Amino acid sequence: AQRVTQPEKLLSVFKGAPVELKCNYSYSGSPELFWYVQYSRQRLQLLLRHISRESIKGFTADLNKGETSFHLKKPFAQEEDSAMYYCALSSTSGTYKYIFGTGTRLKVLA
Amino acid sequence: EAEVAQSPRYKITEKSQAVAFWCDPISGHATLYWYRQILGQGPELLVQFQDESVVDDSQLPKDRFSAERLKGVDSTLKIQPAELGDSAMYLCASRPNRGLPGELFFGEGSRLTVL
Repeated sequence: AQRVTQPEKLLSVFKGAPVELKCNYSYSGSPELFWYVQYSRQRLQLLLRHISRESIKGFTADLNKGETSFHLKKPFAQEEDSAMYYCALSSTSGTYKYIFGTGTRLKVLA
Repeated sequence: EAEVAQSPRYKITEKSQAVAFWCDPISGHATLYWYRQILGQGPELLVQFQDESVVDDSQLPKDRFSAERLKGVDSTLKIQPAELGDSAMYLCASRPNRGLPGELFFGEGSRLTVL
């Protein structure tokens, strides 16, 4: 079954501390992986995607095909990083169906 | 900057009534998605359109939900009759049809409360 699992509903860290949001997936094949973010009172938006291999707002994500994981990391959390984060995958052929995880709320404390 | 438009933003209805949501994707985006997001959960795909054709509606409760995109531009999602369990945020998203999977652009959503 195709599935995205985010084991933490809530993650609280202090400002300046490292952050790691976990994401594991189940997919038969090689999907494309994404992280989406929703800040308070804003729409869901793309944060980063594996194929771009970019660092966005200091966040990076490494795809580990052996562990089927795509964890999101940032070395020093900022208060403005507080938001809801969703891991998602898409097929790389056919109809490009996107599947989302249940999300992790990140709270960065002053 | 072009954005996905959705209306209404909020809808309160009684069970057994009919409700409809509208989505206008970013101009030129061939693929349109409707997602349902129940509080505390992630977005769940209901239906996916490629132009005016449905390419995936496997998770759409077809006994009460219907969706259309007649001219391949804007889309309507209807629920009739609404049930208490339908209370959720209904999200519309679109993407340009450029081969590899890319960014989904989301609307602000339509929040439905069924009493």
